Parts: sequence; C-alpha cells; structure tokens
Amino acid sequence: SAVISQKPSRDICQRGTSLTIQCQVDSQVTMMFWYRQQPGQSLTLIATANQGSEATYESGFVIDKFPISRPNLTFSTLTVSNMSPEDSSIYLCSVVVGGLNTEAFFGQGTRLTVV
Amino acid sequence: GENVEQHPSTLSVQEGDSAVIKCTYSDSASNYFPWYKQELGKRPQLIIDIRSNVGEKKDQRIAVTLNKTAKHFSLHITETQPEDSAVYFCAAPSGYALNFGKGTSLLVTP
Repeated sequence: SAVISQKPSRDICQRGTSLTIQCQVDSQVTMMFWYRQQPGQSLTLIATANQGSEATYESGFVIDKFPISRPNLTFSTLTVSNMSPEDSSIYLCSVVVGGLNTEAFFGQGTRLTVV
Repeated sequence: GENVEQHPSTLSVQEGDSAVIKCTYSDSASNYFPWYKQELGKRPQLIIDIRSNVGEKKDQRIAVTLNKTAKHFSLHITETQPEDSAVYFCAAPSGYALNFGKGTSLLVTP
C-alpha cells in the first residue's frame, strides 16, 4: 500500500495567479499520476509524472498550463498556471506501487476554487 | 484510447435491496477492471477488482462480473446498507494509469 499526503487540501485563488500542489508518498514509487475531478464529475488523467524526465500529458492538457515536477521517487508537484474559473476542480495525485494492473492509491485531493 | 461507459448515473435503493452498476469498455486488450468508491469529500478507494482470467469475484456483499466477449463488467452490491451510499467509479487501464467511467451516485435509503 501507499500513504499519500497532498497539500494544500483546499485553496481559493485569484484568476491569473498560479497554485502549486504538492504530493508526498511514504515510499518510493515509479508511477505517479495527476488527475482532475471537476465538480460532480469523474476523474480525468492530466499527466504521468516521470522521475528524471518530462511529464507525459494527456490530450487536452499542456505543460505550459500544468507544469509538473518529479525530483525524486517520493515527491511530485503540479502547478496550475494562469488560473481561470474553469480551473476550479479537485486535483488528485495517485500512485501505483504493485506494478501494472494493480491498485491505485490516491491523495486526499486539493479543492481549488478560482475567483 | 480506452473508452469506459458507466450506467446508471444515479441509483436509489432501499436498505437491504441489491444494487447493480454496469460498465462497458472499448479496448479488447484491457485485462484489469477495478471499482472505486468515493464518499463525499473523500479520496477514491478501491473496493474490488477483477482480472480477465476470471469471470466473477466476490468479497462479502460485493461482487464483480466480467464478460470479455461483450466487453462489459458489473458491480453487484447485495444487502445494501446506508453506509454504501457513495459515488462508484468503474475503470479500465490506460497504461499504468486508469480511465474512469462517469460514476454512479448510489443512495441507500433506510
């Protein structure tokens, strides 16, 4: 299993500003992911955070808007840049520790409101 | 990429009744199908999963069935209890990540 600490848990931000979300895992993991969950909606994969290389982004998400860092095997950050009200969502980090086709563990999420 | 469809979007049952949630997927190569439960304000948590080498898996009141030919899988909850009220998501693999269905909001009324 994995214990994931994500912070901040919530924030209210002004449009045009940026917010960095941190994700800390209690063990070294190869695979770390960032998801977005818009209000009342499902989880959508933003990107895979790769240690030692650039993140891999899904269609519709770009590095300039959602820069990701992965400095080591236990930590990652997601920045939401130049925010607009449409970015108001819950952002969750997730890890897989058991290899392909095994349980994914999630952080508690960051509830972002852009005003 | 994998496309996962989930039905129904909402489901209301009386305590003690059964609940069934169905999902279909598009990629015939997919071989792992987890179900996550998300209570209000909480993180998603795995409740059961199934791999393509079996057709059914049970864990107490929860079961999952898989039909690879038809490319669909279902979650069955028997003897529902109010604490089963939550949003349930099915998923299928996208590499090491997951593609989630749109979710089913289950309400169990006493």
